[in-house]
Amino acid sequence: DAGVIQSPRHEVTEMGQEVTLRCKPISGHDYLFWYRQTMMRGLELLIYFNNNVPIDDSGMPEDRFSAKMPNASFSTLKIQPSEPRDSAVYFCASSFSAGENIQYFGAGTRLSVL
Amino acid sequence: GESVGLHLPTLSVQEGDNSIINCAYSNSASDYFIWYKQESGKGPQFIIDIRSNMDKRQGQRVTVLLNKTVKHLSLQIAATQPGDSAVYFCAESSGYALNFGKGTSLLVTP
Repeated sequence: DAGVIQSPRHEVTEMGQEVTLRCKPISGHDYLFWYRQTMMRGLELLIYFNNNVPIDDSGMPEDRFSAKMPNASFSTLKIQPSEPRDSAVYFCASSFSAGENIQYFGAGTRLSVL
Repeated sequence: GESVGLHLPTLSVQEGDNSIINCAYSNSASDYFIWYKQESGKGPQFIIDIRSNMDKRQGQRVTVLLNKTVKHLSLQIAATQPGDSAVYFCAESSGYALNFGKGTSLLVTP
């Protein structure tokens, strides 16, 4: 398996623009997690899904952030409109519930909002 | 709220020495603990995990110790190598979501 795949790896955009981050979890995994990483706040859980259903979105910072999982192999995290303070590395991770609780992370998307 | 934190933000060790990275947690309901390694420009990579019914677990060159009495977790790396230089995160869970600590930077010098 290729692991968790995120795209794009880097995104540079201007304030006010819409940003969409994409994630393909490991095949067979039923949990998907979105994290944001910054120097100040570390790794923060934004939202997670189980069987494509959002379970906990309490970490989503504002209504500008939204996440979807239309099927078991694809999820998006959207920021609209983006702001400079959204600049961070965004990670997607997936795990399989019927075994260990290990989350496997993608390589991340580095977002810069100018 | 309850949180996970690290004692040492940075750790410098000589190649070949053993490394110990410490982590404190405060959620007494946590029953699962995990260590990740993150190299520059990459996502966190699983190292080793442990459940609360154990106090020690060993992997290849790594050992995790869990002391539930004082809510303390440690990662021991034997014969540290330059490739071990990275940021190490502990995380705890009482469900499926993980609560990550801030991380400790390990620097291995020749």
